[in-house]
Amino acid sequence: EAQVTQNPRYLITVTGKKLTVTCSQNMNHEYMSWYRQDPGLGLRQIYYSMNVEVTDKGDVPEGYKVSRKEKRNFPLILESPSPNQTSLYFCASGQGVQETQYFGPGTRLLVL
Amino acid sequence: GEDVEQSLFLSVREGDSSVINCTYTDSSSTYLYWYKQEPGAGLQLLTYIFSNMDMKQDQRLTVLLNKKDKHLSLRIADTQTGDSAIYFCAEVFTASKLTFGTGTRLQVTL
Repeated sequence: EAQVTQNPRYLITVTGKKLTVTCSQNMNHEYMSWYRQDPGLGLRQIYYSMNVEVTDKGDVPEGYKVSRKEKRNFPLILESPSPNQTSLYFCASGQGVQETQYFGPGTRLLVL
Repeated sequence: GEDVEQSLFLSVREGDSSVINCTYTDSSSTYLYWYKQEPGAGLQLLTYIFSNMDMKQDQRLTVLLNKKDKHLSLRIADTQTGDSAIYFCAEVFTASKLTFGTGTRLQVTL
């Protein structure tokens, strides 16, 4: 089944404790991206990747890192999480930015 | 700058038509999209329109694009309770960046 998977789905952590949210797709897509969803602000892009080893900042990259060592995986890293990073995070992939984007189920993060 | 705006909430009665509006600032967009987010789920592409089109119809969905006013709308005919969701418009501003609107929560009442 074609899908985008994210793990974990829910995470509660404390300020400053490094965490990684994994994202994996099995559709051989070149374009992958991370978004955060906050009430009243919609979806804001954090980082995107056009292909392996090619990543770039979106609209709200501060406090986040990504890597794209393999085509299928695009982990999101929070080196030192802060409470303002409490949010709902979505990973998405598509054959290109203008193609249909397929979204993961979301990861709900609470930083205390 | 890149800005895509939507009203936050819309309530309609079952069987009525829903119209969800979106305004954008960048006139160079090639594609404009509507995504649907059901409760507790990720987004799914609903429909899209090329920037050289004015209208696109797909079963109960009608997309209207007014390039002069930079206005995009999604009309859902015969709205059903299963249409209750958050609807996002989105557009590609550059060769690599997809920007979403703030989302409109559609509530369908009996």
